[in-house]
Amino acid sequence: QQPVQSPQAVILREGEDAVINCSSSKALYSVHWYRQKHGEAPVFLMILLKGGEQKGHDKISASFNEKKQQSSLYLTASQLSYSGTYFCGTDPDSWGKLQFGAGTQVVVTP
Amino acid sequence: DVKVTQSSRYLVKRTGEKVFLECVQDMDHENMFWYRQDPGLGLRLIYFSYDVKMKEKGDIPEGYSVSREKKERFSLILESASTNQTSMYLCASRGGAGGSYEQYFGPGTRLTVT
Repeated sequence: QQPVQSPQAVILREGEDAVINCSSSKALYSVHWYRQKHGEAPVFLMILLKGGEQKGHDKISASFNEKKQQSSLYLTASQLSYSGTYFCGTDPDSWGKLQFGAGTQVVVTP
Repeated sequence: DVKVTQSSRYLVKRTGEKVFLECVQDMDHENMFWYRQDPGLGLRLIYFSYDVKMKEKGDIPEGYSVSREKKERFSLILESASTNQTSMYLCASRGGAGGSYEQYFGPGTRLTVT
């Protein structure tokens, strides 16, 4: 079952903050976050592992609540370059067979 | 930098044709994946391969097959294309086993079946 992402879309002015949520009905080993710009391939942002380890982007932060099977991505002091569609991918068993959410479209305006 | 390339950016095929989508990665990655991406549905896993000649079904394998004869190349095959297979197809590779390694995506092939 695919994880549920919210919101579906968000419009920000430069410098504003936003939170994107990802919720799964299964216990998770890890959560991955990717950003895709229009016409381009998804690009890796971050991995959050069960147990608290994180790996990824130094300007975007995220959290992972293992008990609730939820993750949140925090866009802080947004820049124009943050525009794109953000996807979370969940991995229940460490095999890396990700199930992706439907995506959150982020538009950052000047 | 890891590079994942796909044979075509755009492809138009007729219903019933056999279609081959090719993916090549240049980083000696063991794991490779095929996804389809549709509006409102995100990316859905079709098949993945964790080694040469090894494959596993993903969430939506019906109507597709795959081939991995060499480590760097992973092919997706539509045996008899149908209009509901019109979609964006993305290939990805990953360097390590397990869920703590990121996936690197190719640019995608937009397939239209008429």
